[in-house]
Amino acid sequence: ETGVTQSPTHLIKTRGQQVTLRCSSQSGHNTVSWYQQALGQGPQFIFQYYREEENGRGNFPPRFSGLQFPNYSSELNVNALELDDSALYLCASSLWRDYEQYFGPGTRLTVT
Amino acid sequence: AQKVTQAQTEISVVEKEDVTLDCVYETRDTTYYLFWYKQPPSGELVFLIRRNSFDEQNEISGRYSWNFQKSTSSFNFTITASQVVDSAVYFCALINNAGNMLTFGGGTRLMVKP
Repeated sequence: ETGVTQSPTHLIKTRGQQVTLRCSSQSGHNTVSWYQQALGQGPQFIFQYYREEENGRGNFPPRFSGLQFPNYSSELNVNALELDDSALYLCASSLWRDYEQYFGPGTRLTVT
Repeated sequence: AQKVTQAQTEISVVEKEDVTLDCVYETRDTTYYLFWYKQPPSGELVFLIRRNSFDEQNEISGRYSWNFQKSTSSFNFTITASQVVDSAVYFCALINNAGNMLTFGGGTRLMVKP
């Protein structure tokens, strides 16, 4: 059984740029959730995808967007990067309505 | 709105001591699930336990035990005979009735010194 994988591991971007983060869900899982974890804080829910559609969104602006593909993998896109977007971005996969989410190792984004 | 509070931001103990991490939650849902996750320095969140709101039995798994008290909206986590490898940040979390959004507490950093 393959766990949740994320790429890249680390990323450095400049303010105003755009970034795409990728996530492959655990084998058999059909739901992907994204979280942002600022340094020293708990993760904050960004959104969840199921059947290639957004299923719930946290308090994040529209410049945070996502996609889910037929193989259940997912992308998180962030436009017009701001310094405060610097964080660890965590992807979690699960079965629909199973409530138990399994997390990947995260992508650490630094915006300068 | 849901909220999870972990009042202890940092705890330091000496190896073999017992330590309890506190978690208090707020939710309007009658059905919900509570979780504990461990985050070692590598960053990956490691699932430790899930408890649903109808199951108030305490649970023990090796050196770990959990005390769920619905009357006080608390879900505390105890490590018995702590070890250096237990050093990590521990998060308590609550999932909403829709099952899509985990709400995390701010985390408790546990340092176990030899």
